[in-house]
Amino acid sequence: EVQLVQSGAEVIKPGESLKISCKGSGYSFTTYWIGWVRQMPGKGLEWMGIIYPGDSDTRYSPSFQGQVTISADKSISTVYLQWSSLKASDTAMYYCARARVPAAGSFFNYWGQGTLVTVSS
Amino acid sequence: EIVLTQSPATLSLSPGERATLSCRASQSISSNLAWYRQKPGQAPRLLIYDASNRATGIPARFSGSGSGTDFTLTISSLEPEDFAVYYCQQRSNWPGTFGQGTRLEIK
Repeated sequence: EVQLVQSGAEVIKPGESLKISCKGSGYSFTTYWIGWVRQMPGKGLEWMGIIYPGDSDTRYSPSFQGQVTISADKSISTVYLQWSSLKASDTAMYYCARARVPAAGSFFNYWGQGTLVTVSS
Repeated sequence: EIVLTQSPATLSLSPGERATLSCRASQSISSNLAWYRQKPGQAPRLLIYDASNRATGIPARFSGSGSGTDFTLTISSLEPEDFAVYYCQQRSNWPGTFGQGTRLEIK
């Protein structure tokens, strides 16, 4: 069974750094792209970027380029989303999701449970 | 960046009724469109990909149609679990943008 399990909720102060994780299992981790999607409170879905765990090829949406860093550690089947200096506007639910087929532009058919990040002083 | 516009913003129907949701792209995206359902407190779930293909495990009451700029998701007979928010997403141009969502609520 394909599963994506994300790290737990975080409460962080503005200006602090953070790294959240997404661990894949039940499939060949290095074969499928994994993406990150943001959902701000009460709002819609925003595509942030994707990574190919096989070689860490990473692509970002222009809206998120330079704002976050996506990385992967294939030895432990885990991808990460990190910030160097969080702002209150980064408060959101963050989902990781796996591509349906082994292609960068594929839709997402497996999703993690989400990680709620709250940035507040 | 391709903009996807969903309509209506909210749709009020009763169980057993037929639902028709629309998604319009700002430029042609061929058949490179998907539909997701998001229930409250849950992650989205892929329903339809490449405009008209049902994802694994999706019941036959869900169907998708369209190509180019105009797309439709049809739910033939609404079940209680279908009252949720629906999003379309395109993969024709980078990045893979989402529509703003249609909320399907119980009338």
